[in-house]
Amino acid sequence: RKEVEQDPGPFNVPEGATVAFNCTYSNSASQSFFWYRQDCRKEPKLLMSVYSSGNEDGRFTAQLNRASQYISLLIRDSKLSDSATYLCVVKSFVGSNTGKLIFGQGTTLQVKP
Amino acid sequence: EAGVVQSPRYKIIEKKQPVAFWCNPISGHNTLYWYRQNLGQGPELLIRYENEEAVDDSQLPKDRFSAERLKGVDSTLKIQPAELGDSAVYLCASSLVVWGSGGDEQFFGPGTRLTVL
Repeated sequence: RKEVEQDPGPFNVPEGATVAFNCTYSNSASQSFFWYRQDCRKEPKLLMSVYSSGNEDGRFTAQLNRASQYISLLIRDSKLSDSATYLCVVKSFVGSNTGKLIFGQGTTLQVKP
Repeated sequence: EAGVVQSPRYKIIEKKQPVAFWCNPISGHNTLYWYRQNLGQGPELLIRYENEEAVDDSQLPKDRFSAERLKGVDSTLKIQPAELGDSAVYLCASSLVVWGSGGDEQFFGPGTRLTVL
């Protein structure tokens, strides 16, 4: 079983739609969580960190459920420019993965006009 | 401010040939990472340096891969000999780790796209 699992998609949605991505992680010792965005043939870039209380950045909302080891990203009012791959990332601070980022395989979003 | 610089951007070689990738991290960043990203997958860590010390190389295939970060600044990753399965994008990232702060955003370079024929 992969340490971080995501539905690879692709998710094809019309402009203006709301779309949600889910991610599960297996290491209960994980302590930091992030969403990275990767455009086609480009490098990953940090989109937002995910906090236990949930956090929002404009049209983007990230939530964490530690009990279920589940992370989500909600995008409201999708724009064409949101088309990209969204990588769920988990960081642990104990054990063999100390300070190591574990990436999910990514979920591809395609926003259509 | 300059980001993480990598070269070359693309490399095509025949199997059994050697290949090397170079990375210059963001100035002042003490931690450097090499990742490999296969098509349709997320990046996977190969090696992590804190200054000039390799602190996590558990995922580096040591029979054919080697890395160095002399003087704790730029770094090279080498494959010798390359195999067909090594075709991937090799990403370098850097961060400024301040112990106890809990957060250290990793900044990625554009990557080197390797094709082994």
